[in-house]
Amino acid sequence: KNQVEQSPQSLIILEGKNCTLQCNYTVSPFSNLRWYKQDTGRGPVSLTIMTFSENTKSNGRYTATLDADTKQSSLHITASQLSDSASYICVVSAGEYGNKLVFGAGTILRVKS
Amino acid sequence: GAVVSQHPSRVICKSGTSVKIECRSLDFQATTMFWYRQFPKQSLMLMATSNEGSKATYEQGVEKDKFLINHASLTLSTLTVTSAHPEDSSFYICSATWRSSYNSPLHFGNGTRLTVT
Repeated sequence: KNQVEQSPQSLIILEGKNCTLQCNYTVSPFSNLRWYKQDTGRGPVSLTIMTFSENTKSNGRYTATLDADTKQSSLHITASQLSDSASYICVVSAGEYGNKLVFGAGTILRVKS
Repeated sequence: GAVVSQHPSRVICKSGTSVKIECRSLDFQATTMFWYRQFPKQSLMLMATSNEGSKATYEQGVEKDKFLINHASLTLSTLTVTSAHPEDSSFYICSATWRSSYNSPLHFGNGTRLTVT
């Protein structure tokens, strides 16, 4: 069964600190893995997309890693800001054409001053 | 960057009425659009996938006669919730892509908050 599990479920950190969110998946065949940021009451916004051959990808203060062997990904946020408070969703594309999207439940991050 | 516009952002309707939600790709041709619903503090649940000019493919457990999806053009898809009931109250989100590659970006609308009274 295709599954995407994210941890922790929620996280509170102080402004300026770093944090790492985890995503483990059991999806086959694997096409790509995406990280999205979703503000409350808004649609998700893409942060990164990685194929199996990519180990790391950065987007500003966001850095995603992918280990296709262990089927794990992480999203590292550097020097957190209050505006980073959101839900972070890991999405894995499965299937030969990558047309089956499997969503994680998300990690709710709260950055406080 | 690519923009997906969803309208309305909020709608309140009475039980038994129908509500139409629009999803438009503003600066690209969306060969495929997806519709999701999201309950509070939960992730997105895929409802259906629609390819331009063909019938939508619904996920298991989603009633196609209740959630009517039309994707008549490359820039517009609509979701109609027919005979809405309070349990249909949810956050509905669309996403769109041009399916030239499985790595094509997937762009989301800002969602529609539906409240059925």
